[in-house]
Amino acid sequence: DGGITQSPKYLFRKEGQNVTLSCEQNLNHDAMYWYRQDPGQGLRLIYYSQIVNDFQKGDIAEGYSVSREKKESFPLTVTSAQKNPTAFYLCASSSTERSPLHFGNGTRLTVT
Amino acid sequence: KNEVEQSPQNLTAQEGEFITINCSYSVGISALHWLQQHPGGGIVSLFMLSSGKKKHGRLIATINIQEKHSSLHITASHPRDSAVYICAVRSPAEGNTGNQFYFGTGTSLTVIP
Repeated sequence: DGGITQSPKYLFRKEGQNVTLSCEQNLNHDAMYWYRQDPGQGLRLIYYSQIVNDFQKGDIAEGYSVSREKKESFPLTVTSAQKNPTAFYLCASSSTERSPLHFGNGTRLTVT
Repeated sequence: KNEVEQSPQNLTAQEGEFITINCSYSVGISALHWLQQHPGGGIVSLFMLSSGKKKHGRLIATINIQEKHSSLHITASHPRDSAVYICAVRSPAEGNTGNQFYFGTGTSLTVIP
């Protein structure tokens, strides 16, 4: 079945460490997105990519980095520069402007 | 200022009740999405609409473009409908070729048997 796979589901890190969240899709979608979800807030866009080897900053890109070397993969690195990294991270993809968003099951990151 | 506002924030209903969740938005849109998020965190797309009304089983979504308002209705609600329902709009982004999504904060629905 086609879908988006995020791994791991739970991730624990010490403050000061970089951590990379995986996102893989087999839907052949061009566009991929990373969102952060915090309690009481709507999803906020971190980065998005419309095509391979190109990506754009979202509203809260500071302290994050991404790469898009393959169409299927859009990993997110949470760097030590991110002031408040503990959150639920969701990866999504879509094929065209007129298609729905498909989401992964998310990664819950806890930094202590 | 939130581009997408949802109400109510929390909703508790008895099994069998008719439920309405409202969404208002302030930006120009190409489409509006209703999403469902279960306690495990994964999100599924329920509806994507740009005009009129759509129905899928016991769920109905409507949109009024002139009033910038959408509603999600659940008929004969069931405990398995308990989830967070999120309204999102796809808005043409200035300065680039992509479209941005704006999300409401969600409505947490609990259906009691």
